[in-house]
Amino acid sequence: GQQLNQSPQSMFIQEGEDVSMNCTSSSIFNTWLWYKQDPGEGPVLLIALYKAGELTSNGRLTAQFGITRKDSFLNISASIPSDVGIYFCAGLSGGGADGLTFGKGTHLIIQP
Amino acid sequence: SQTIHQWPATLVQPVGSPLSLECTVEGTSNPNLYWYRQAAGRGLQLLFYSVGIGQISSEVPQNLSASRPQDRQFILSSKKLLLSDSGFYLCAWSTGERDTIYFGEGSWLTVV
Repeated sequence: GQQLNQSPQSMFIQEGEDVSMNCTSSSIFNTWLWYKQDPGEGPVLLIALYKAGELTSNGRLTAQFGITRKDSFLNISASIPSDVGIYFCAGLSGGGADGLTFGKGTHLIIQP
Repeated sequence: SQTIHQWPATLVQPVGSPLSLECTVEGTSNPNLYWYRQAAGRGLQLLFYSVGIGQISSEVPQNLSASRPQDRQFILSSKKLLLSDSGFYLCAWSTGERDTIYFGEGSWLTVV
């Protein structure tokens, strides 16, 4: 099946720093989704991207759908303590309810 | 607006006992419904999905089963739990138009 390579696996940063993470695939996707999961809770949708080249912001978060349709990145500017959590990318190739592929997540840890 | 709710939030069950996790969605009709399992805080594994009442597709062979008795109700069951069934179970829904998936709060299952 399709696979997504999400990196980095973990990030240890200082409060106030900017964060960047990305997902790449050998397959083309029609949709890219970014989620954040807090401990013990379900993932919450942050940003959805539906078109190649699309750049979308949600507050301090910005995500882009790569031109090749095989990658996407998520940036967080001026990180704050509540940004701690696991961030997942997901790609949808279309064609059915089982078409969503998840990355393994980026664990963001913020040091005061 | 649409909401998704799953219960119970936490469950401790002995090996060999039955399981029933329930999920309901409000505010939408004929959603696609999903059950995911997450082990060790990362890695979302699709277990079952359903595109309509009584229609269940299984992604992973196991001792779990799913049922959709009503349009907005999805149930995850087992007749006899194994230790390896422990994990964080997430119900999710999407509409066919864009297939963006929205997750419930999750259910922690510990099999002892």
